[in-house]
Amino acid sequence: EAGVVQSPRYKIIEKKQPVAFWCNPISGHNTLYWYRQNLGQGPELLIRYENEEAVDDSQLPKDRFSAERLKGVDSTLKIQPAELGDSAVYLCASSLGLSRGTDTQYFGPGTRLTVL
Amino acid sequence: AQSVTQLDSQVPVFEEAPVELRCNYSSSVSVYLFWYVQYPNQGLQLLLKYLSGSTLVKGINGFEAEFNKSQTSFHLRKPSVHISDTAEYFCAVSPGTNAGKSTFGDGTTLTVKP
Repeated sequence: EAGVVQSPRYKIIEKKQPVAFWCNPISGHNTLYWYRQNLGQGPELLIRYENEEAVDDSQLPKDRFSAERLKGVDSTLKIQPAELGDSAVYLCASSLGLSRGTDTQYFGPGTRLTVL
Repeated sequence: AQSVTQLDSQVPVFEEAPVELRCNYSSSVSVYLFWYVQYPNQGLQLLLKYLSGSTLVKGINGFEAEFNKSQTSFHLRKPSVHISDTAEYFCAVSPGTNAGKSTFGDGTTLTVKP
């Protein structure tokens, strides 16, 4: 069974440019997460979807970040415009979503963003 | 609110030696606790998790962790490490009602030397 797929794996852009990341979760997983991992730190949750509904986006900087999960399957995270401080690894994870108490998250390999 | 402190940023150890990676947490509610491993250029992989019941939790690759409520700790141990265990290890805590709301520590780099 394929794991969580993310693309691109690496992206280098100039500041003020837009950028988008794509995630395809494990088939049948209803819950999808986007995390940001800064260098030398653990992941920080940006947004969590239950099917197509964003149920937790309290940490998403809404002035420049947006996300969507149309049809409750794959998802796109966008930054517009990018700033130098957005350089990080963006991780996508998915889980079955059957029970919040025992749900195991499966992580993709991440997209490493460098903003110059 | 909850927080996680991983007490060692780097742990060097020789092959076949035992290792302990330390994790303390803070929370005003009951918690679930997790340890993840991240190999270079890969995503995180769940090693083990504590939800309830026995305080000693066994995970994959020979790792185990012990939940200590009085000391608010969840240290990860392995009796004999291999070169292949070299990786970044993350401790995470979530409220007991929502495993999807995890807070991660900053990670411990385990380096196993021959």
